Amino acid sequence: DAGVIQSPRHEVTEMGQEVTLRCKPISGHDYLFWYRQTMMRGLELLIYFNNNVPIDDSGMPEDRFSAKMPNASFSTLKIQPSEPRDSAVYFCASRGVGATEAFFGQGTRLTVV
Amino acid sequence: QKEVEQNSGPLSVPEGAIASLNCTYSDRGSQSFFWYRQYSGKSPELIMSIYSNGDKEDGRFTAQLNKASQYVSLLIRDSQPSDSATYLCAGAIYTGTASKLTFGTGTRLQVTL
Repeated sequence: DAGVIQSPRHEVTEMGQEVTLRCKPISGHDYLFWYRQTMMRGLELLIYFNNNVPIDDSGMPEDRFSAKMPNASFSTLKIQPSEPRDSAVYFCASRGVGATEAFFGQGTRLTVV
Repeated sequence: QKEVEQNSGPLSVPEGAIASLNCTYSDRGSQSFFWYRQYSGKSPELIMSIYSNGDKEDGRFTAQLNKASQYVSLLIRDSQPSDSATYLCAGAIYTGTASKLTFGTGTRLQVTL
């Protein structure tokens, strides 16, 4: 298996623009997590899904952030409009049925200027 | 108070010494604990998991869990320069379909020659 795949790896955008981050979980995994990592706050859980259904979005910082999982093999995290304080590395992770360990993608480094 | 707390370091140990990394958690409902290693610019990778009180050994790594004290630790024996990285402690709570995995901010380990 290729592991969790995220795209793009790097994104530079101007303030106010819409940004869409993409994630393909490991095939057969039923949990998908979105995290944001910054030096100041570490790795923060934004939202997670179980069988494509959002379970907990309490970590989503504000209404500018939204996430969807239309099917078992694809999820998006959208920021609209983006702001400089959204600059961070965004990780997607997935976990298999009955398993406890989560596996991370390579991350998307977002820079909002 | 963060749900999972770690000293940010850096923790500096000489090559060949034992590195001791510590973590405390606030939610007594946490059931599983994990140590992830993250090299600079890379994604977190799982190195140890522990679910019950006591010690768990895997090669040069030993994870220790004390649920009464809400304390998790990771010992790295015979530390190598390649062990230099940030070590993230995580705790997981499972309730029905809820499966929240929360991370500490990480401890940076430096193994010196």
